[in-house]
Amino acid sequence: KAGVTQTPRYLIKTRGQQVTLSCSPISGHRSVSWYQQTPGQGLQFLFEYFSETQRNKGNFPGRFSGRQFSNSRSEMNVSTLELGDSALYLCASAAGSHDNEQFFGPGTRLTVL
Amino acid sequence: GNSVTQMEGPVTLSEEAFLTINCTYTATGYPSLFWYVQYPGEGLQLLLKATKADDKGSNKGFEATYRKETTSFHLEKGSVQVSDSAVYFCALSLFSGSARQLTFGSGTQLTVLP
Repeated sequence: KAGVTQTPRYLIKTRGQQVTLSCSPISGHRSVSWYQQTPGQGLQFLFEYFSETQRNKGNFPGRFSGRQFSNSRSEMNVSTLELGDSALYLCASAAGSHDNEQFFGPGTRLTVL
Repeated sequence: GNSVTQMEGPVTLSEEAFLTINCTYTATGYPSLFWYVQYPGEGLQLLLKATKADDKGSNKGFEATYRKETTSFHLEKGSVQVSDSAVYFCALSLFSGSARQLTFGSGTQLTVLP
């Protein structure tokens, strides 16, 4: 069974631009969560989707948004990029609504210049 | 709120040495506990987990026991290898209603020298 895939793996943008990252969960998994990883702040939760509904949201500004499609694939969007948005963005999937075990993808490395 | 406190790194050991990485947590409710490992340039891989008090998670020679009385989940390995060099994250997972919350520690960089 294929793991969690994320595209693109690397991305370079400039301040003020917007970006969309994509995540395909493990087949059959319906929960997708997003995390931001930076050297200074560590791993921080962005949001979680289950069956196309956002169930939980972390403490990030409204510039960060996401959605989930009927096939469970998810996208996250960051508008008006800032230098501080440079990070590794990780996506994780879980099988059911209350499965504790999450499986992570390799991440998308976003660099904002 | 929920939090995870991990032993500060970096940790440098010689091959075949004994490893302990301390992890303590604060949570409202009864969390599940995890150790994840991250190799350079990669995402997180689940190393082991424990879902209730006194459970012991184990994998690839690593072990951790869920200690409710001390709110701890320390990671141990009896004999580390160079290939164990990575960053290790302790994490807890709780549900608040239907919302899943996974909280990570700050990570501990482990380097194993031959």
